[in-house]
Amino acid sequence: DVKVTQSSRYLVKRTGEKVFLECVQDMDHENMFWYRQDPGLGLRLIYFSYDVKMKEKGDIPEGYSVSREKKERFSLILESASTNQTSMYLCASRPLTGGGQPQHFGDGTRLSIL
Amino acid sequence: AQSVSQHNHHVILSEAASLELGCNYSYGGTVNLFWYVQYPGQHLQLLLKYFSGDPLVKGIKGFEAEFIKSKFSFNLRKPSVQWSDTAEYFCAVNWDTDKLIFGTGTRLQVFP
Repeated sequence: DVKVTQSSRYLVKRTGEKVFLECVQDMDHENMFWYRQDPGLGLRLIYFSYDVKMKEKGDIPEGYSVSREKKERFSLILESASTNQTSMYLCASRPLTGGGQPQHFGDGTRLSIL
Repeated sequence: AQSVSQHNHHVILSEAASLELGCNYSYGGTVNLFWYVQYPGQHLQLLLKYFSGDPLVKGIKGFEAEFIKSKFSFNLRKPSVQWSDTAEYFCAVNWDTDKLIFGTGTRLQVFP
């Protein structure tokens, strides 16, 4: 079974802090994704990566950056956290072999910015 | 723009009732279609997927979905729901790229 591990289930930070969310997958997947999940809005893609050191902006990249130094790890960075970034953050991974492959999700990190 | 619509935001059913959740996407071309489920406190799990072949797809836990290309739809069905089906359900579409576009989700509550 694919295992996608997010470093924290719950995180509380203060406005203006730099926040790091970590995600690790154990299946050698090329593609990795960061989403945020908000009630009534579903999942919205922040950034994704299809290879080490490669990244693409998703639909809502503003206020976020990412890092992929190793294939198994994909980090989401909030450069200067703001209260409107309070949300559930989901990481996912998928092999490169075509669009029909499903994404596998981590348990999520519920981030609160005070 | 590519988009996915789930028309039912909140559905309440009694056990043994039949379920149908709607999902429509914005335009055609080659599509891959998914339904995911998120049980309370758990991660998103794949229920079923379609990318070619028989448009009637069977998934886990007795769920099925039918791809109707002419209607741009991929509705999820289950003949008889159980209390354990209480969850949030997400439809997602991939237009042969790396990106998945998700619908806004449907919250299903099943009462015994």
